[in-house]
Amino acid sequence: DARVTQTPRDKVTEMGQEVTMRCQPILGHNTVFWYRQTMMQGLELLAYFRNRAPLDDSGMPKDRFSAEMPDATLATLKIQPSEPRDSAVYFCASGLAGTTEAFFGQGTRLTVV
Amino acid sequence: QQQVKQSPQSLIVQKGGIPIINCAYENTAFDYFPWYQQFPGKGPALLIAIRPDVSEKKEGRFTISFNKSAKQFSLHIMDSQPGDSATYFCAARGSGGGADGLTFGKGTHLIIQP
Repeated sequence: DARVTQTPRDKVTEMGQEVTMRCQPILGHNTVFWYRQTMMQGLELLAYFRNRAPLDDSGMPKDRFSAEMPDATLATLKIQPSEPRDSAVYFCASGLAGTTEAFFGQGTRLTVV
Repeated sequence: QQQVKQSPQSLIVQKGGIPIINCAYENTAFDYFPWYQQFPGKGPALLIAIRPDVSEKKEGRFTISFNKSAKQFSLHIMDSQPGDSATYFCAARGSGGGADGLTFGKGTHLIIQP
């Protein structure tokens, strides 16, 4: 059953703490996306990678957010320091270059108090 | 700048009715227009998609109508069922090729009443 796996599913943290979200893309997919979903803004593209190289991170606040792909089976999104306005559901999605469909994980619900 | 505008925000339809969700885009470089369906607690999942060289695409009870000159496209759900209750997102992707990032509309919360 090929699917995108995200951990943790839920995270509650205090303002100022570091948060790391992890994503395991579907095996063989070479493009990975990070999206943030809020009621006000909907789904926003934060960053995406192809073959582990960052292609576009213009949607990501650079001062506190960072995204990496240490290897082809792991993508990480880190927030340091976290702020209450970062509270949202963060989705990872993966796809295959040359195709059109992006497959989403179940998301990480982040609450910063 | 919101590149994909979606309406309505919410919609309630009786079972068997035909909900229609509309989207408009601004960027003429978009070349792929999918609709995603999202159930509570789940990630969005691709429902149906269209390219601008056709005016309509049908898959089961779901139909996309596309008007390239007006830069608008819409989703129609025929014979709607309570199980179709979900949030629907339209999206668009640029012409860079490959699985590039999608620009999403803000979503429509659809309720199908029994």
